[in-house]
Order: sequence, then C-alpha cells, then structure tokens
Amino acid sequence: GAGVSQSPSNKVTEKGKDVELRCDPISGHTALYWYRQRLGQGLEFLIYFQGNSAPDKSGLPSDRFSAERTGESVSTLTIQRTQQEDSAVYLCASSSHSSTGELFFGEGSRLTVL
Amino acid sequence: AQSVAQPEDQVNVAEGNPLTVKCTYSVSGNPYLFWYVQYPNRGLQFLLKYITGDNLVKGSYGFEAEFNKSQTSFHLKKPSALVSDSALYFCAVTSWGKFQFGAGTQVVVTP
Repeated sequence: GAGVSQSPSNKVTEKGKDVELRCDPISGHTALYWYRQRLGQGLEFLIYFQGNSAPDKSGLPSDRFSAERTGESVSTLTIQRTQQEDSAVYLCASSSHSSTGELFFGEGSRLTVL
Repeated sequence: AQSVAQPEDQVNVAEGNPLTVKCTYSVSGNPYLFWYVQYPNRGLQFLLKYITGDNLVKGSYGFEAEFNKSQTSFHLKKPSALVSDSALYFCAVTSWGKFQFGAGTQVVVTP
C-alpha cells in the first residue's frame, strides 16, 4: 500500500492475555518506530528499528513488551500478560532515513484491556 | 540526551489572527527538527522540518517555522489561523535516529 498500515485497528482483550500488533511500513523505508499514546497524552517512544536491528529499545516499559522486525519490512509489537495500564493507542511510523527523513505514521492500533 | 519542550498545553486564537506554537529543544550535535499535526482519532501528519540551510522553513497548509539556534527554539507559525487548524501539534527532535516528541500543544481556533 501507499502508506503505513497497522492492524488491528481496534483490539479489546482481557487482562492477562497476550496481544500482537502489526505494522506494515512504506515499502523501502529502512527505519521503523513504535510509539504509545495514552488518552489525551503525548507520544511515548517505545522502540525503533534500523533495518532489522533495534539500536534503541530503551522505551519498552517492561519485559512484557517485545518487538521484532523481519525482512526489513513488517514489524510486530507483542505485549504479554496485558495489564489495564497498557490501554492506549500504539502508533507505528516509518522513514526512509533514520535522522533526516520525516516519519510517516499509521492510523494506530487502539488497545483496550478490560 | 535529547529533549523537546512545548511549554503551552493549549493555545487559543481567533480565526484570522496569527497563530504561534512554541517549541524549544536540547540536543547534542546538529538538531533535526520537525512539526506534526494530529487531528482527532487520526495518526500524525508531517507539517515541516528543518535539517540545514535557511532558518525559515515553509510547510503544509500555510504553516512555517523558524529555527533559532541561539535560543534553541523552533516555533511554529501561521499568519492567519483557520477553524480547521484546530488540532494537536507536536514538535520533534532527532539527532541520532531516535525521534523525541514534545508533549503536544492543543490549538483551538474559534470562529
């Protein structure tokens, strides 16, 4: 597709279940970013990939969060044993250059943990 | 370490008046600065960026921003605001690949 695609757009889950969020970046974009946005809040950096490697994982809130990227393309963000505080919109963005290229954002995956 | 600050949670302006949204940054090395806008229930959209060169950068929808190295600022401006400019605006800085976003400024333009 022409833009960054994220799925699912909405996910409701029960506390303690695992969830997987997917991001399909713009073709050819080498950099990929995950952010979390709680209701009415700013963007919280989670992780970014340059190619398939993650130079900076410092934003992952706990060891329940993990992310991977394969084939310099699709990325998945996995949250294990979800908690209510994980409820947020998870935004993915990609860029053709990790420093000077602007980020192109997906519409986000809204996660609600009951 | 790098950081970006948006000192105003909300900016209110009447339609037709000038709009300014403030941003200051801290970064080691050369800063690359960006502005994004977020409309309700949507992802972020790129407005403009400063990488190098002219300190005045022009972007989408009539917005512009001025890079001021001595004041470490990158304020977003629009000469005449529209009601449709009402949205959440984010400033971002990157120097080593990690994009750091400010907390956001809600802009409310009243008719």
